[in-house]
Amino acid sequence: GIQVEQSPPDLILQEGANSTLRCNFSDSVNNLQWFHQNPWGQLINLFYIPSGTKQNGRLSATTVATERYSLLYISSSQTTDSGVYFCAVLYNQGGKLIFGQGTELSVKP
Amino acid sequence: KAGVTQTPRYLIKTRGQQVTLSCSPISGHRSVSWYQQTPGQGLQFLFEYFSETQRNKGNFPGRFSGRQFSNSRSEMNVSTLELGDSALYLCASSRPRGDGYTFGSGTRLTVV
Repeated sequence: GIQVEQSPPDLILQEGANSTLRCNFSDSVNNLQWFHQNPWGQLINLFYIPSGTKQNGRLSATTVATERYSLLYISSSQTTDSGVYFCAVLYNQGGKLIFGQGTELSVKP
Repeated sequence: KAGVTQTPRYLIKTRGQQVTLSCSPISGHRSVSWYQQTPGQGLQFLFEYFSETQRNKGNFPGRFSGRQFSNSRSEMNVSTLELGDSALYLCASSRPRGDGYTFGSGTRLTVV
């Protein structure tokens, strides 16, 4: 089946720094989403981005579907950005999202 | 608009018991899917329902089952609970040809 790999697995930043999270996938996909898991466990949808570039405030994402990767950019990081970031791809149809193992981000004040 | 609602938020059960979790999707969303999250295995797909039919199933034993009602609400059931079933169970809903999946807050199940 399709493999989804995220890097780095862990990241520690000082508040105000910028960061780039990467997601590689091994096959063509119909959907790619980035999520932030909050301390209570809920997955917050950041971007639905099967291709192209989107921006939402300090966050932006780019997916290059032909090269099978996606990037999540966080600028001017804040302590509230801490948590685990997941990318997930929809392989074929049928509601089956395949998740990467996540990047755990810690932003220090 | 209301998000995806999962109940209960927390649950403690004893080995051998069975449990039922509930998920109410966003109004208008007809697809509901379920995931299990554990520290060792990460997020794994359990099953997906659309218009009361199971469309896809993950690699879990038959003790894990689900159903969807005509109002799109879904339940999942785990019978004969094992310690290893302790996990965060998340459900997600989506529109047909929509813009991705929205997750609920999850049910944290502890089996003792």
